[in-house]
Amino acid sequence: DAMVIQNPRYQVTQFGKPVTLSCSQTLNHNVMYWYQQKSSQAPKLLFHYYDKDFNNEADTPDNFQSRRPNTSFCFLDIRSPGLGDAAMYLCATSRAPQKSYNEQFFGPGTRLTVL
Amino acid sequence: AQRVTQPEKLLSVFKGAPVELKCNYSYSGSPELFWYVQYSRQRLQLLLRHISRESIKGFTADLNKGETSFHLKKPFAQEEDSAMYYCALRRKDSSYKLIFGSGTRLLVRP
Repeated sequence: DAMVIQNPRYQVTQFGKPVTLSCSQTLNHNVMYWYQQKSSQAPKLLFHYYDKDFNNEADTPDNFQSRRPNTSFCFLDIRSPGLGDAAMYLCATSRAPQKSYNEQFFGPGTRLTVL
Repeated sequence: AQRVTQPEKLLSVFKGAPVELKCNYSYSGSPELFWYVQYSRQRLQLLLRHISRESIKGFTADLNKGETSFHLKKPFAQEEDSAMYYCALRRKDSSYKLIFGSGTRLLVRP
């Protein structure tokens, strides 16, 4: 089945220790998104890639970076995780919006714990 | 600023009862609105979108521009409807951004 895969499902890191979360897709979608979702809150968009074009949200901290080496993979790097970065991180994909109603397909998420 | 408000964190109903999950939005332009659902241990997925005017799993939602609302309704709730429901707004411009509400947990009791 075509899908969005996130690895690992659970990630534990130490305060200040860099961590990378991974997302891959078999849908061949142009756009890949990263959301942060804290407990009982709405998913919050951090940034997205449209093909190779990176689009950062204005309020995304510099501590968060992303890489998209090819169509299928996208990574979220947290350079120096703080306790406040503990959250569920969701990856999503979609076709180019002008060709669709922009349904986003989500991965299962990676729950990040910062000790 | 664009905003999506879901006033109820939890909605508990008995099986067979009608359900209405509330969603209000603020947006100066003409929005696209969606309902996403997350069942237990499953990923977030699209339930329905206002532009399609469809009924999915018995759920419908009507966009009321006068009241800036997009409430989700089902006449007879089923236990399998228990899930987390998120209302989302997409700006109709070059941004691809979805703005989510904080979600309502629906619990359908037997």
